[in-house]
Amino acid sequence: LAKTTQPISMDSYEGQEVNITCSHNNIATNDYITWYQQFPSQGPRFIIQGYKTKVTNEVASLFIPADRKSSTLSLPRVSLSDTAVYYCLVGPNNAGNMLTFGGGTRLMVKP
Amino acid sequence: EAEVAQSPRYKITEKSQAVAFWCDPISGHATLYWYRQILGQGPELLVQFQDESVVDDSQLPKDRFSAERLKGVDSTLKIQPAELGDSAMYLCASSQTSGASYEQYFGPGTRLTVT
Repeated sequence: LAKTTQPISMDSYEGQEVNITCSHNNIATNDYITWYQQFPSQGPRFIIQGYKTKVTNEVASLFIPADRKSSTLSLPRVSLSDTAVYYCLVGPNNAGNMLTFGGGTRLMVKP
Repeated sequence: EAEVAQSPRYKITEKSQAVAFWCDPISGHATLYWYRQILGQGPELLVQFQDESVVDDSQLPKDRFSAERLKGVDSTLKIQPAELGDSAMYLCASSQTSGASYEQYFGPGTRLTVT
């Protein structure tokens, strides 16, 4: 299973763009990269998923370089409500394989 | 929007007692997961079901934990006997297994405190 490494914490201010990078040097060919967001006392919530290049949805963008050994979650113009823990997961797309959440990145958005 | 249901939301139990958690996944989701999350850490997968079958339970402490999904719909996770170190949030999630989506939908969790 591909192991992921993320910064433990990050601080930002309202209105800024936040980029959280995840390293996954031993990613396998069939692995996807998925990001989740978790608020205190709630279950994680899916943000975005990608395989290569760039993926964008209504809340975030995911940038994946050609070697796929890292990925960057980009949150445009963060607000106080984006304060949460963000997890990067790497894993195959079929049942029967364990998923591993790392420690995540604690993002603190300040006014 | 469909959600994963879990009950109870909070449970306080004494050491050596039995405790059970219930999860009802999103309708039609064949895959169900149970995670344990200790405060300040990421969720740790305990067991994964595909329909009624256990796909992976390698991280489940089988001497005291058990999980079942008899009809391939809702699921129960049991701890007997509970230990102080079992205090944690227990999260249930479900997902579709077909297609390219790996999205897991999490329930609100059950916060267990063992005294």
